[in-house]
Amino acid sequence: SSELSQDPAVSVALGQTVRITCLGDSLRSHYYTTWYQQKPGQAPVLVIYGRNNRPSGIPDRFSGSSSRNTASLTITGAQADDEAAYYCTSRDSGGYPRFGGGTKVTVL
Amino acid sequence: QVQLVQSGGEVKGPGASVKVSCKASGYTFSSFGIVWVRQAPGQGFEWMGWVSANNDSRNYAQNFQDRVTMTTETSTTTAYMELRTLRPDDTAVYYCARYANFYDSGGYAELFDFWGQGTLVAVSS
Repeated sequence: SSELSQDPAVSVALGQTVRITCLGDSLRSHYYTTWYQQKPGQAPVLVIYGRNNRPSGIPDRFSGSSSRNTASLTITGAQADDEAAYYCTSRDSGGYPRFGGGTKVTVL
Repeated sequence: QVQLVQSGGEVKGPGASVKVSCKASGYTFSSFGIVWVRQAPGQGFEWMGWVSANNDSRNYAQNFQDRVTMTTETSTTTAYMELRTLRPDDTAVYYCARYANFYDSGGYAELFDFWGQGTLVAVSS
């Protein structure tokens, strides 16, 4: 089982806001959570890192936040193109990078 | 632009070895390490390990420490991952990614900021 827990699936109406959460005791450490987007048949894409940083080319409707042992990725004004699986990652209790189980986002 | 191009898919029998390559371009290869991550069919991701760009340091996940070797060649800007004693449950897409880190007053982040296209390794008798 993953030390980082994510809801398996969530749906959002087109143009609405969805929050994807990542829960884990290791998130209390000084390591930030990083978020990746993966569409079917494609490699992952980095979407959020650090406190709330987006790589070049990632729309500003993606944002990140964290509190205690929970990290969140928020999509404000979801678009059809945002339909994908989203994975959080951070260090686990043993100090190794660990991925959450992923959340599949469906845009209705 | 940064690109990581991996070698093609492989089919192997149980007990065999596989070596996957990852050719990097579009950046200074010696400035960034490489990580390897795998994804079993329909599953999430598993971090396998990291190797420095100049091949003098590596860190493997405990699950793979006795079966994996990761190397880099700066002359060809290519990274390699060899996995030995393959089992059917090693069937997965194997990805290389460029490793970067970020830190500010609030903490530290490690990023896999550019990924290869993935290499499917199928293990079957």
